[in-house]
Amino acid sequence: AQSVAQPEDQVNVAEGNPLTVKCTYSVSGNPYLFWYVQYPNRGLQFLLKYITGDNLVKGSYGFEAEFNKSQTSFHLKKPSALVSDSALYFCAVRDSYSGAGSYQLTFGKGTKLSVIP
Amino acid sequence: DSGVTQTPKHLITATGQRVTLRCSPRSGDLSVYWYQQSLDQGLQFLIHYYNGEERAKGNILERFSAQQFPDLHSELNLSSLELGDSALYFCASSETGGRTGELFFGEGSRLTVL
Repeated sequence: AQSVAQPEDQVNVAEGNPLTVKCTYSVSGNPYLFWYVQYPNRGLQFLLKYITGDNLVKGSYGFEAEFNKSQTSFHLKKPSALVSDSALYFCAVRDSYSGAGSYQLTFGKGTKLSVIP
Repeated sequence: DSGVTQTPKHLITATGQRVTLRCSPRSGDLSVYWYQQSLDQGLQFLIHYYNGEERAKGNILERFSAQQFPDLHSELNLSSLELGDSALYFCASSETGGRTGELFFGEGSRLTVL
């Protein structure tokens, strides 16, 4: 079964500094990896995904993620953090096809990012 | 705004009761997913419907059931509620069966069981 791990419950970073939110994955085939963000009292929003191609994936709000097959990692990054980036970030992996035309996402536990002014 | 609407936003009820959560997907989306988010379990997949048909089940209790209606809205029914059912319940929709992995989430229904 697929799984993702987010080793940090919380990440604190100063505004203007680069940020990294870590994610490692375990899949049986080719990985389909995603990052979602959840702002307070809101639903999750899609940020970016990796399916194939370049190892550096660019997404919304200036975020990018680096896929590393040898380290089975998919870390989320941003060159310069904003206070408004403070939120809960989820890494996810798409499950293998289970038949009946359905795919599901398995989410990590989430990492709370706090950007300090 | 994701285009996915969930009602009610908040719900407080007692143990043993039954509640119904409602979800209207984005216009044109045929898939509806239900997820449960709790502090200890994280985000857990419950069930997936596509164009009215159940397509996949995750960690959904037997006390819970769902359906998707011809107009594509979906309802999640939770019965014989227990304290541990207190959580945030999300609905998400997608155009296809989830192949792209891009889901559009509603703002959730927060259930408190007292």
